[in-house]
Formats: sequence, C-alpha cells, structure tokens
Amino acid sequence: SQKIEQNSEALNIQEGKTATLTCNYTNYSPAYLQWYRQDPGRGPVFLLLIRENEKEKRKERLKVTFDTTLKQSLFHITASQPADSATYLCALLTASGTYKYIFGTGTRLKVLA
Amino acid sequence: DGGITQSPKYLFRKEGQNVTLSCEQNLNHDAMYWYRQDPGQGLRLIYYSQIVNDFQKGDIAEGYSVSREKKESFPLTVTSAQKNPTAFYLCASSIGGTTNYGYTFGSGTRLTVV
Repeated sequence: SQKIEQNSEALNIQEGKTATLTCNYTNYSPAYLQWYRQDPGRGPVFLLLIRENEKEKRKERLKVTFDTTLKQSLFHITASQPADSATYLCALLTASGTYKYIFGTGTRLKVLA
Repeated sequence: DGGITQSPKYLFRKEGQNVTLSCEQNLNHDAMYWYRQDPGQGLRLIYYSQIVNDFQKGDIAEGYSVSREKKESFPLTVTSAQKNPTAFYLCASSIGGTTNYGYTFGSGTRLTVV
C-alpha cells in the first residue's frame, strides 16, 4: 500500500544547530513534493516545493532534497531559532494529474534556547 | 489581504445534527479542498473542486457534502451520517492547472460532537 512516513517523535535541537527532518515514502512515484509548517491550532503554511527532476531547493535558511532512488526527502533548517519550533509536514503529488496532495503526519520540531 | 477565511473557529454539534462549515477565499484560485486532521494522522482529503459547479470525492467523503456555486466559496456540510465527526477541518485553495505553487490553507474549524 502507499505510505508516507515522517518521524512521529518530536525532534529537540539546540538553537543555532541545523535541524534535519525526514520524509520517506513507499509505492509512490511523486512528481512533486512539498513541505509545510503548522503551528498548534492553525492551518499549514507552504514553505517549499521540489520537483522529481530537482535534487535540491533552497529558500533562505531552508533546504530540501529529493532522492527518488531512496524515496526520501530531507528538510533542513540551518541556524535554527526557537521561532522555528512547529510541526513540519511533507506532502506528495503523485503523477496522476489530479493535483491532489497526500500529506504525512508531520514531525514536531522544538528548538531549545 | 488575500487569503482564506474559515468560520466558525469552533463548532459544537449535537448527535443527529447537520452542520455547515464555511470557507471563503479572495485569492482568485480555481481549486479548493477540504481536509480533515486527526491527532497522529496526516491530513485526509474529503472533497475537492477544480472549477465552479464541479467537485470530486476525496478519500473519506462518506458523511460529508459540498457545493461550489461560486469561485470564492466552498462550504462543507457534515451530515448525521458521519459517525465520528470530531476533528480539525481545514480548507485550502490553489491555482488550478499548475502544480508550481503550494496550497493556501485557512485557520481551520474545530468541530466537536456533544
């Protein structure tokens, strides 16, 4: 069956370090992959999109990689700050042409001051 | 400011009642979506609409209904047939016909059965 896996355990890191979050998937051939940030009680906010033919995408302190061989995306936040504390969701668009994204359960990140 | 407005923020439903969640966007987006979020689960797609007067069932459409009479509006009705409606409901929109952009989400409606 198709599955998206994000680490359900919270990730605690020290301020200033690089946070790395993982999104693994099985039985998908995603054409696009997105990362979102979600704060408690709020809707997700779009951060980055990466296509299957792109290896890496950057935006300010954020970097996303997409390895279609490993079926994995890594999301990095460099020089992390307490304000980066949130839940981060990955979402896959399969190449079905319906423009529907499938979302992972998210990983909670806590940056300690 | 452009965005998506969901209302109400909190909603309480009695057993056997139908309730309607509002979703309005002023982004001129063609596509709109309804997701349900439960603790420990990813967002699950209920219904989506890519153009006015057309919508498709998502993965968990049973017990829900929608309409798309205007481009800006995509209300969701939770019917009495939905046996476990307590959840956080999220409406989203996107530019139709392209996948270069992410979804814009509303702030959500938390529905509780009392």
